[in-house]
This record gives sequence, structure tokens and C-alpha cells, in this order.
Amino acid sequence: QKEVEQNSGPLSVPEGAIASLNCTYSDRGSQSFFWYRQYSGKSPELIMFIYSNGDKEDGRFTAQLNKASQYVSLLIRDSQPSDSATYLCAVKTGRRALTFGSGTRLQVQP
Amino acid sequence: SQTIHQWPATLVQPVGSPLSLECTVEGTSNPNLYWYRQAAGRGLQLLFYSVGIGQISSEVPQNLSASRPQDRQFILSSKKLLLSDSGFYLCAWSNGPQETQYFGPGTRLLVL
Repeated sequence: QKEVEQNSGPLSVPEGAIASLNCTYSDRGSQSFFWYRQYSGKSPELIMFIYSNGDKEDGRFTAQLNKASQYVSLLIRDSQPSDSATYLCAVKTGRRALTFGSGTRLQVQP
Repeated sequence: SQTIHQWPATLVQPVGSPLSLECTVEGTSNPNLYWYRQAAGRGLQLLFYSVGIGQISSEVPQNLSASRPQDRQFILSSKKLLLSDSGFYLCAWSNGPQETQYFGPGTRLLVL
């Protein structure tokens, strides 16, 4: 079992819709969770992080964490074509460096 | 504010040649530093990380090595490149309690 799992996609949504990206992790001791966006040919850029159960909102983005289910998600409201990218989930456990999922490719159709 | 630089941006090298990629961070002190490799269409593979000068942890066995000669400088090296070393090399830094990682612009390496 991979430590951090994401559906590779592509996830295709129409412009203006809500995109829902999901990530599961295997280590119950994981304490911090990160979402990065990576455009093709570019380096990952941080969108947001979350470490408490529940929702955390930042503009059009909402991160949701459920530690009991070992599940973290990212919602993108009012999706725009410029949101088309690969979204990476990353998990911090103990003193180890972040563990990244392989990413979900999102396509927002105009 | 903090910035992270990597050079070169792109590199084409023959098999068996040496490699040196450099990463420097500005605007922070005593950061944790990381080297990742991303093969085409794949996820991020952690290669090395460092919590201080001269302190290097290797995550995977390979023909690469890393050094941290100064607090904000991280170097990735190889004595002899393999075809499988081709990829997108990313340097990252972190600091603070959450240790959020921030990535540099990356170096695209093609070994022929």
C-alpha cells in the first residue's frame, strides 16, 4: 500500500463547477497535510496546508481533513481553465520529510 | 521574503559525464533543504535532505550524492551520469513548526 494515494485522473470538470480532489494516507500518526499545484513543466507551488480535523478555507480553495478516515481533500469552487494542473497531496509524519502522492491531473473545460 | 534559486535551468549531458546542480536559499537561516527528482509524468521522489551544514540524509541508493557546504547552499552531484538520471530535479526548503516545503524552479536534466 502506498503511503499517500491519489487518483491520477484526469479529472475533468466544466468551468464554474466545483472540483473535488481526494487523497488517502496510510500512517495514522501523520500530523500535517499539504496541497500543491504543479503546472506542466513547472515546480510545485503550495496552495494550503491543514492539520486539524474539519475544513480550512482560502479563497476558492477548501481543504478538508478527516483523520479518523485518513482522508484529506481539496475543493476548488468556481473552477477556471487556469486551474488546470496536477494537484499533489503531501503528508508529514513525525520527523520525516514530506511524503508526496503521485498527483491528480485536473482539466477544467471552458 | 524568502527565495530559492536553482541552476542551471536545463542541462543536456552525455552518459558517464559528471553532474553538479546548485540550490541556494535567501531570506532565511538554518533551513531544512531537500533534493527531489521527478521523472516524466511521475510523482516526486525524495533523494536527499539536510537539517544543517554537513548533515545529509540519503533516501534512496543511487549514483548521486549531496553536499551542504554552507547554511543556505545545497549541491547535488554525480561522478558518472546514467540514462536513468534524466528528470526534473527540484530543490526545496522548509522552516518553522509545520515545515511547509517551498520549491525552487527546478533543473531539467536530459542524459543522452
